[in-house]
Amino acid sequence: SAVISQKPSRDICQRGTSLTIQCQVDSQVTMMFWYRQQPGQSLTLIATANQGSEATYESGFVIDKFPISRPNLTFSTLTVSNMSPEDSSIYLCSVQRPDTEAFFGQGTRLTVV
Amino acid sequence: DQQVKQNSPSLSVQEGRISILNCDYTNSMFDYFLWYKKYPAEGPTFLISISSIKDKNEDGRFTVFLNKSAKHLSLHIVPSQPGDSAVYFCAASITGTASKLTFGTGTRLQVTL
Repeated sequence: SAVISQKPSRDICQRGTSLTIQCQVDSQVTMMFWYRQQPGQSLTLIATANQGSEATYESGFVIDKFPISRPNLTFSTLTVSNMSPEDSSIYLCSVQRPDTEAFFGQGTRLTVV
Repeated sequence: DQQVKQNSPSLSVQEGRISILNCDYTNSMFDYFLWYKKYPAEGPTFLISISSIKDKNEDGRFTVFLNKSAKHLSLHIVPSQPGDSAVYFCAASITGTASKLTFGTGTRLQVTL
């Protein structure tokens, strides 16, 4: 298993501002993922973040809006830029080792006002 | 296009009875399926998984059944306990695609006394 710490756990932000979410893992992992869960919706993959390379974004998500850093094998950040109320969601960090299931952080509940 | 569907948004079951949660998928490339449980203010927790080479996998009170021809899987919880009350997500992936998960919209299970 893996212990994943996400910060902040929740935040209320003004529209037009940016928020950076941190994800810390208790051991080295190759693959880290960022998901979003909009109200009443399923979890949707935003991007895959691998250390030493650019993040790979899913359809509908762009780097300018959701820049991601992955400076080492235990840490990643996701920034939600120029926020609008539509960005109000739960953002989740996930890690996975080969031949194991994905583990999730507790999530960051973001409200944009 | 929702490739993984959970058509029942909620389910109420009496303690001690069987809970059956259903999931349908449309992408025939999916070959690995997982169930996650999510409590409020927590990240999803892995429950049980099944590979497409099997049609059943059992772990304690939890059993997952896979019907590939119908593109349908189900999670059985026997006996249901009040602590099982949570939102359950079905997820699917394609082996070799960096383990990206496609989630259903979730089913809220309420186990009553």
